[in-house]
Amino acid sequence: KAGVTQTPRYLIKTRGQQVTLSCSPISGHRSVSWYQQTPGQGLQFLFEYFSETQRNKGNFPGRFSGRQFSNSRSEMNVSTLELGDSALYLCASSLGADANGETQYFGPGTRLLVL
Amino acid sequence: AQSVTQPDIHITVSEGASLELRCNYSYGATPYLFWYVQSPGQGLQLLLKYFSGDTLVQGIKGFEAEFKRSQSSFNLRKPSVHWSDAAEYFCAVVWVSGGGADGLTFGKGTHLIIQP
Repeated sequence: KAGVTQTPRYLIKTRGQQVTLSCSPISGHRSVSWYQQTPGQGLQFLFEYFSETQRNKGNFPGRFSGRQFSNSRSEMNVSTLELGDSALYLCASSLGADANGETQYFGPGTRLLVL
Repeated sequence: AQSVTQPDIHITVSEGASLELRCNYSYGATPYLFWYVQSPGQGLQLLLKYFSGDTLVQGIKGFEAEFKRSQSSFNLRKPSVHWSDAAEYFCAVVWVSGGGADGLTFGKGTHLIIQP
């Protein structure tokens, strides 16, 4: 079974631009979560989508948004990019049946550099 | 706020020696506990998890971890490390309450260096 895939793997943007990242979960998984990894803050939870609805949300500004499609694929969008948004963005998928917590399987990440 | 602490930022171990990586979490609702490993430029790979039951859990690559509720700890161990174990290790927790669970809360990670 194929793992979680993320595209693109690398991105370079300039301040003020917006960016969209894509994540395809493991087949049969209906929950997709997004995380930001930076050297200073470590790994931080952005949000989780299940059945095309945001089920959980971390403590990030509204510039960070996401959505999920009927095939469980998810996109994450960051508008008005700031230098501090440079990070590795990780997507994780899980079955989604248990809202109380399940094993999450991670993709390789998208590395975003904001200049 | 609920938190996960990995007190050791770096650990150096000789190849063949035993390893213990520490993880403590703040008290909260029922914790689901995980250890992940990340190699440079890679995503996170699940080593093992604890939801309930036997407090000593076995994972992949010869790793094990023990959940100690009284100490709020979930330490990762390996009896004999290999050079390929050099990586960043993350402890993560999901707290489960009546209202469901939030996303994973991660520790800051422990960078494992293996000496020949």
